[in-house]
Amino acid sequence: DAGVIQSPRHEVTEMGQEVTLRCKPISGHDYLFWYRQTMMRGLELLIYFNNNVPIDDSGMPEDRFSAKMPNASFSTLKIQPSEPRDSAVYFCASSLAGPPYEQYFGPGTRLTVT
Amino acid sequence: AQRVTQPEKLLSVFKGAPVELKCNYSYSGSPELFWYVQYSRQRLQLLLRHISRESIKGFTADLNKGETSFHLKKPFAQEEDSAMYYCALRLEYGNKLVFGAGTILRVKS
Repeated sequence: DAGVIQSPRHEVTEMGQEVTLRCKPISGHDYLFWYRQTMMRGLELLIYFNNNVPIDDSGMPEDRFSAKMPNASFSTLKIQPSEPRDSAVYFCASSLAGPPYEQYFGPGTRLTVT
Repeated sequence: AQRVTQPEKLLSVFKGAPVELKCNYSYSGSPELFWYVQYSRQRLQLLLRHISRESIKGFTADLNKGETSFHLKKPFAQEEDSAMYYCALRLEYGNKLVFGAGTILRVKS
């Protein structure tokens, strides 16, 4: 397995544009997580899914952010409209249900909003 | 509320010196603690978990419920230990992890 796959790896966009980040979890994993990493705040959980159903989206900063998981092998995180303060590295991670609860992370998408 | 605190953003030590990365947590339930590491240009990955009571790459961490701490220690730092380290807390129910802000460890030669 190639592990968690994210695309694109880098995204540069202008303020006001729509941005879509993509994630393919490890096959067979039940949970999928979206995180945002910044120097100021570290690693923040945005939303997570269990069996394609959103469980907790309390970390989503505002209505400009949305996430979907239409099937077990694909998820998207969308920002519309994007703002410069959204610039960060966005990670996707997946895990099995139950012990040992290890999360496997993707390589991340570095987003720059100018 | 659940919280993980890593008080140091940057820890700089010389090669061969002991290392201690601090982690404190706030949680009323039964905690499960992890350390994750991110080396330069690599993915964030699990380093160790308190339940396993193992030593990985010379690192150990002991859960101290009285002090609500899970500090990461290594007796002799190596240059390849330079990385970002995150402490994480799993709540009693579900797979959600609460991460600390992270500590950058820099080992100087």
